[in-house]
Amino acid sequence: DQQVKQNSPSLSVQEGRISILNCDYTNSMFDYFLWYKKYPAEGPTFLISISSIKDKNEDGRFTVFLNKSAKHLSLHIVPSQPGDSAVYFCAASGGMDSSYKLIFGSGTRLLVRP
Amino acid sequence: GAGVSQSPSNKVTEKGKDVELRCDPISGHTALYWYRQSLGQGLEFLIYFQGNSAPDKSGLPSDRFSAERTGGSVSTLTIQRTQQEDSAVYLCASSSPGLAGWETQYFGPGTRLLVL
Repeated sequence: DQQVKQNSPSLSVQEGRISILNCDYTNSMFDYFLWYKKYPAEGPTFLISISSIKDKNEDGRFTVFLNKSAKHLSLHIVPSQPGDSAVYFCAASGGMDSSYKLIFGSGTRLLVRP
Repeated sequence: GAGVSQSPSNKVTEKGKDVELRCDPISGHTALYWYRQSLGQGLEFLIYFQGNSAPDKSGLPSDRFSAERTGGSVSTLTIQRTQQEDSAVYLCASSSPGLAGWETQYFGPGTRLLVL
């Protein structure tokens, strides 16, 4: 039972355009959501997070949107750069007994073409 | 740097042997986590340590897996009698309690384990 789903295994965009990565979740107890970026042979790097009391959080070129009613979040990268090419993981946590336990999606591989 | 470090970076072992993986968390972080990423999969939670509290071992896949955290800092994940399905990248993360309990976990580079 996948509680966090990233339905697009890959995405290819042109440099300078917007990249939109999507994530859906099923557990309504989740109240904290994070995006991580992972390069080959490295650990995941924290990018940006959002708590359930917000619907948008922005940090430079990265913006995360949260739609609680749809149980959907998305990461927007604009403008996209070739160095953004990596695997992006969505993660969620929440609930009284496991507020610390991150549940990860399976990742989306982003390729930004020069 | 002051990030999470893990050793070894790569480990090749024979089926049936025991392995130990080490994690040094970020200094001052009270929480430590182990995750596993199998090929083509997302990260799978294994175990969580917070201060002196009893660890949450609910993610350990079998009793061949165990972990310790000595002195509230360094942690060792031990896999006994390794099986080929244990082959994966084992990732350690640490965090410090944040606002309203929301904690951002910072990951190490991982240990790539291959069981032949």
